[in-house]
Amino acid sequence: DAEITQSPRHKITETGRQVTLACHQTWNHNNMFWYRQDLGHGLRLIHYSYGVQDTNKGEVSDGYSVSRSNTEDLPLTLESAASSQTSVYFCASSESGEREYEQFFGPGTRLTVL
Amino acid sequence: GDSVVQTEGQVLPSEGDSLIVNCSYETTQYPSLFWYVQYPGEGPQLHLKAMKANDKGRNKGFEAMYRKETTSFHLEKDSVQESDSAVYFCALSDLGSSASKIIFGSGTRLSIRP
Repeated sequence: DAEITQSPRHKITETGRQVTLACHQTWNHNNMFWYRQDLGHGLRLIHYSYGVQDTNKGEVSDGYSVSRSNTEDLPLTLESAASSQTSVYFCASSESGEREYEQFFGPGTRLTVL
Repeated sequence: GDSVVQTEGQVLPSEGDSLIVNCSYETTQYPSLFWYVQYPGEGPQLHLKAMKANDKGRNKGFEAMYRKETTSFHLEKDSVQESDSAVYFCALSDLGSSASKIIFGSGTRLSIRP
């Protein structure tokens, strides 16, 4: 069965360190997204991609970067982790075309920055 | 810009109660509207949708009517069950710009009392 996976599921790091969160999907979807989920803010879009070599900034992109070198993966990098980036991070994907509004989410990564 | 507002952070009905979870939206375009549901320990998943004004989305006894005149998309159910406990996100996508890019509300936690 097709799926979307995230790793690690939990991560504790220190302020100033670089951190990379992995996202891998086997749906063969063109569109991929990274969100962060914080209490009272819902899901906020960090970065998104509509295909290989395409990346775009979302509403809360400062301090984060992504790269898309193949269809399956969209890793999220925190260049220099800050305590404000403690959050739960979700990766999602969707197909292009008629059902592009339906996003399929991974199980999430809980990141703590000390 | 586009926005989605959910006024209740948490609702605590008893099993068998009727339910209304409020959602209002703001956009200058012609959005499609959605409710996503997030069960404990999982990523969100599409719960129901309404693609245009006056459509009604339905799933598992839940309903939501797309009301353009009041810019609302309230989630309703006649009789809630303990298994309905989850976080519910109202969301919109703007078909005029990019249907795959979804804007989420802040979420409403539904906790059913047995």
